[in-house]
Amino acid sequence: NAGVMQNPRHLVRRRGQEARLRCSPMKGHSHVYWYRQLPEEGLKFMVYLQKENIIDESGMPKERFSAEFPKEGPSILRIQQVVRGDSAAYFCASSPQDNYGYTFGSGTRLTVV
Amino acid sequence: DQQVKQNSPSLSVQEGRISILNCDYTNSMFDYFLWYKKYPAEGPTFLISISSIKDKNEDGRFTVFLNKSAKHLSLHIVPSQPGDSAVYFCAASANTGGFKTIFGAGTRLFVKA
Repeated sequence: NAGVMQNPRHLVRRRGQEARLRCSPMKGHSHVYWYRQLPEEGLKFMVYLQKENIIDESGMPKERFSAEFPKEGPSILRIQQVVRGDSAAYFCASSPQDNYGYTFGSGTRLTVV
Repeated sequence: DQQVKQNSPSLSVQEGRISILNCDYTNSMFDYFLWYKKYPAEGPTFLISISSIKDKNEDGRFTVFLNKSAKHLSLHIVPSQPGDSAVYFCAASANTGGFKTIFGAGTRLFVKA
């Protein structure tokens, strides 16, 4: 039973490019959460999704960031027109329906140059 | 608005002694509390949790204590081992139509051999 899979592990983008981060939840998990960890900071909640629905996006920046969790395929966190301040580790987590406690993926480290 | 606070960025402990990591929260709606452990370049892994109806939960060398009136919880590790050296995140969650979890900034534990 594979855990939460995130890819790529490392992503380098030039300023102004788009970054697409993928997350495949654990089998049987229907809830996906994205968190961002800036250097020397804790985990900041970004968005909570269920299949085809955004449940809570209160932590998402209003511009350039979007997330989806389609009926088929992984959840995608998309950052358009990246800036240096977007450089961070982005973690995805999943959980079974109606349950506390997450399983995290290994993260994607985004570097904007 | 930091709802979960870990005021000690780091803690250094001698091997074999007790490590005590502290956490405070402000939102009285939180009803479930968790501790996660994180090694560099890896995702956080679940360590131990406690429901708000309890004041103590123990799992091997790890014990979590909850003081609801003080909105304070702590993680005790005894005896501490060098392999425990990691960043420890306190987290809190509330069943408010979803299970968004709020994380503290983390405490980096160093266990010296």
